[in-house]
Amino acid sequence: GENVEQHPSTLSVQEGDSAVIKCTYSDSASNYFPWYKQELGKGPQLIIDIRSNVGEKKDQRIAVTLNKTAKHFSLHITETQPEDSAVYFCAAPHRGSTLGRLYFGRGTQLTVWP
Amino acid sequence: DAGVTQSPTHLIKTRGQQVTLRCSPISGHKSVSWYQQVLGQGPQFIFQYYEKEERGRGNFPDRFSARQFPNYSSELNVNALLLGDSALYLCASSFDRGASHTQYFGPGTRLTVL
Repeated sequence: GENVEQHPSTLSVQEGDSAVIKCTYSDSASNYFPWYKQELGKGPQLIIDIRSNVGEKKDQRIAVTLNKTAKHFSLHITETQPEDSAVYFCAAPHRGSTLGRLYFGRGTQLTVWP
Repeated sequence: DAGVTQSPTHLIKTRGQQVTLRCSPISGHKSVSWYQQVLGQGPQFIFQYYEKEERGRGNFPDRFSARQFPNYSSELNVNALLLGDSALYLCASSFDRGASHTQYFGPGTRLTVL
């Protein structure tokens, strides 16, 4: 099955700095890459996703970039705020996108210090 | 609009018991997927149901079963509980069954097996 690796496992930044989280995937047929934010005691919340026909997507302070050749995608958060502190997960679909199965990375604990 | 809802929020069981978890998808969504999230890890796919039929199954034993009802709500059943079944059980709904369709997660049910 798909193998999704996520780095770093923990990330601490000062408020206002940028944060970057990187993921690699193994299945070259993967064509959809969501990012989820999970706060303590809550379910994962979709924050941004990208499809394989584009290389970058932005939504205010959040952006995702995709390099299909290298099979990696990254989450970029600019002007970080304390409320950005959470665990972030990347994911990629199971081979054959007719199934809804997502493979998740192990997560990155982001801490933004005021 | 209501998001994905799950019940109960917390559950404590003892080894050998059976448990039923419930999920109501977003209105209009026909696909429900179940994930298990062990502390410190990303969610692991258990099942996907679409149009009341099982469409995919992860690497989980037969003690895990599920079903989807005509209103697209779903139940996850786990028999003969083991200590290792302690986890956050997440339900995700999407409009269609393909992995490129955005999956929205509920808040989860925290299961503790003593």
